Amino acid sequence: SQKIEQNSEALNIQEGKTATLTCNYTNYSPAYLQWYRQDPGRGPVFLLLIRENEKEKRKERLKVTFDTTLKQSLFHITASQPADSATYLCALPEYDATNKLIFGTGTLLAVQP
Amino acid sequence: DTEVTQTPKHLVMGMTNKKSLKCEQHMGHRAMYWYKQKAKKPPELMFVYSYEKLSINESVPSRFSPECPNSSLLNLHLHALQPEDSALYLCASSLRDVGPTAGGSETQYFGPGTRLLVL
Repeated sequence: SQKIEQNSEALNIQEGKTATLTCNYTNYSPAYLQWYRQDPGRGPVFLLLIRENEKEKRKERLKVTFDTTLKQSLFHITASQPADSATYLCALPEYDATNKLIFGTGTLLAVQP
Repeated sequence: DTEVTQTPKHLVMGMTNKKSLKCEQHMGHRAMYWYKQKAKKPPELMFVYSYEKLSINESVPSRFSPECPNSSLLNLHLHALQPEDSALYLCASSLRDVGPTAGGSETQYFGPGTRLLVL
């Protein structure tokens, strides 16, 4: 089955800088990949979806890239703010009849003022 | 209304109790999900309902019993739980099921979760 790897260590950056989070998968390349934000004790909130034929997707200060050769997605937050501090999860569909979403363990982002 | 609601927010129960978690959405979504999330772990899928029928059961113990009374409501009945079942229980919905006939990607909308503690 698919395995997803996200940096388990927290990412600490200064306010105003660009945060870059990595999501690597190990097996097949999925048809799409999603990124979610999760605050402590809350449910994940959908941020962006990128399809396999898209190299890049943007939404306001967020940018996602998808490299099927490297089996990797990068998630960028530009001009980061303390309010961006949260855990960011990548998710992609399992390659079986269910297509259920598999989530990575997430990366905790801490933006220092 | 773009919200998934869950009640209660917190629940403490003993191992002999019976309780229920409730989830509601009014977005017209036809797929609803239960996930379990332990601290510092990703959400793990438990059940999927598609058009009010159970489509996926991820080999969940029978002490967890899901129910979908209608297209807007999803319940999770709990009975004789163990302390290791303590977790955040998340409900989610999507416009369609992501099964083999769905033909597309589906964003999932999550509720705020129920924090369950089993003593």
